[in-house]
Amino acid sequence: GNSVTQMEGPVTLSEEAFLTINCTYTATGYPSLFWYVQYPGEGLQLLLKATKADDKGSNKGFEATYRKETTSFHLEKGSVQVSDSAVYFCALLHSTAGRRALTFGSGTRLQVQP
Amino acid sequence: SAVISQKPSRDICQRGTSLTIQCQVDSQVTMMFWYRQQPGQSLTLIATANQGSEATYESGFVIDKFPISRPNLTFSTLTVSNMSPEDSSIYLCSVGSGRADTQYFGPGTRLTVL
Repeated sequence: GNSVTQMEGPVTLSEEAFLTINCTYTATGYPSLFWYVQYPGEGLQLLLKATKADDKGSNKGFEATYRKETTSFHLEKGSVQVSDSAVYFCALLHSTAGRRALTFGSGTRLQVQP
Repeated sequence: SAVISQKPSRDICQRGTSLTIQCQVDSQVTMMFWYRQQPGQSLTLIATANQGSEATYESGFVIDKFPISRPNLTFSTLTVSNMSPEDSSIYLCSVGSGRADTQYFGPGTRLTVL
């Protein structure tokens, strides 16, 4: 079946540090890949996505590249801010027989200190 | 992206009672989804609700416990029936984009069962 594995958190960084949150997946076929972010007390927001191999999704300084050869979709940001503190979820979308179900990773909490 | 609202935003309920959560979208969408996020956990898909057909439930979720209505293309409800403390979670609805490759989430309903 489909699954998503994320690095465990919390990840604690100082402001302006480089961020990497690892995400690997298992799926048949060619899923679309997503990163969602959940700020404290808020709902889930789409951060970025990639729909095919070698695509790079980017938004708000965050980037992730769809690597089919390593089945990975690692999230990166060159310089984090305190406002980036949130829980980040990696997810894949697999379409079969008309169903389009998202499978989420366990989430990684990021804490950015001033 | 669609604007999604949920009611109530939070509730505290007694065990054995039922709660109906509403999800309203500002545009017509074919696919709507209901997810559960248990405390400190990731999101799990409960069911897919397409207008004009019965909801499709994921493994571990049944219609008697989580009945869903989808009367039109902008609205859906999820009922959590005969609640127990284990049902304490955030319940989120989401909608698919035009091709349903991307899902957008509502703000969630935080349910506490005593």
